[in-house]
Amino acid sequence: DGGITQSPKYLFRKEGQNVTLSCEQNLNHDAMYWYRQDPGQGLRLIYYSQIVNDFQKGDIAEGYSVSREKKESFPLTVTSAQKNPTAFYLCASRGQSSGNTIYFGEGSWLTVV
Amino acid sequence: GQSLEQPSEVTAVEGAIVQINCTYQTSGFYGLSWYQQHDGGAPTFLSYNGLDGLEETGRFSSFLSRSDSYGYLLLQELQMKDSASYFCAVLDSSYKLIFGSGTRLLVRP
Repeated sequence: DGGITQSPKYLFRKEGQNVTLSCEQNLNHDAMYWYRQDPGQGLRLIYYSQIVNDFQKGDIAEGYSVSREKKESFPLTVTSAQKNPTAFYLCASRGQSSGNTIYFGEGSWLTVV
Repeated sequence: GQSLEQPSEVTAVEGAIVQINCTYQTSGFYGLSWYQQHDGGAPTFLSYNGLDGLEETGRFSSFLSRSDSYGYLLLQELQMKDSASYFCAVLDSSYKLIFGSGTRLLVRP
């Protein structure tokens, strides 16, 4: 089945560590997005990419980094510079062929210990 | 700046109809979409409006007026399982997908 796979589902990070969240899609979508969601809040855009080897900062990019070396993959690194990284992270993709429908992965819960 | 406004909370009775409004102010506009999110889960797509008018998908309908920068999601024949958060989102001219802060819908028996 086509879809978006995020891993890991749950992740614990020690202070000062970098962690990388994986996002893979087999929908042949060009555009991919990373969002952060804090409890009871909306989704805030971290980074997005319209095409391979290109990406743009969203509203809260500080302390995060991404890469887009393959169409299927858009990993997010939460660096030690992100002072409050505990949150729910959501990856999404969009395809024009599907009427700009956005598909989300299951999400990754990151907790700093 | 870019913003989407929607009510923070709505309460309705099972079997009733509820409308969740969304007004937006963005840099360009390609379309308005709606998502449902249950606690602890990921958002799921409900509908997309690229042009003015009403789109119907089963019990859910969505409306868009580009001249008013306004849209709404209409939920009919409410069921208990519809209790969730609902988000509107705009795809702007740089293909940035911006979300509103969400409306928490509580359906009572």
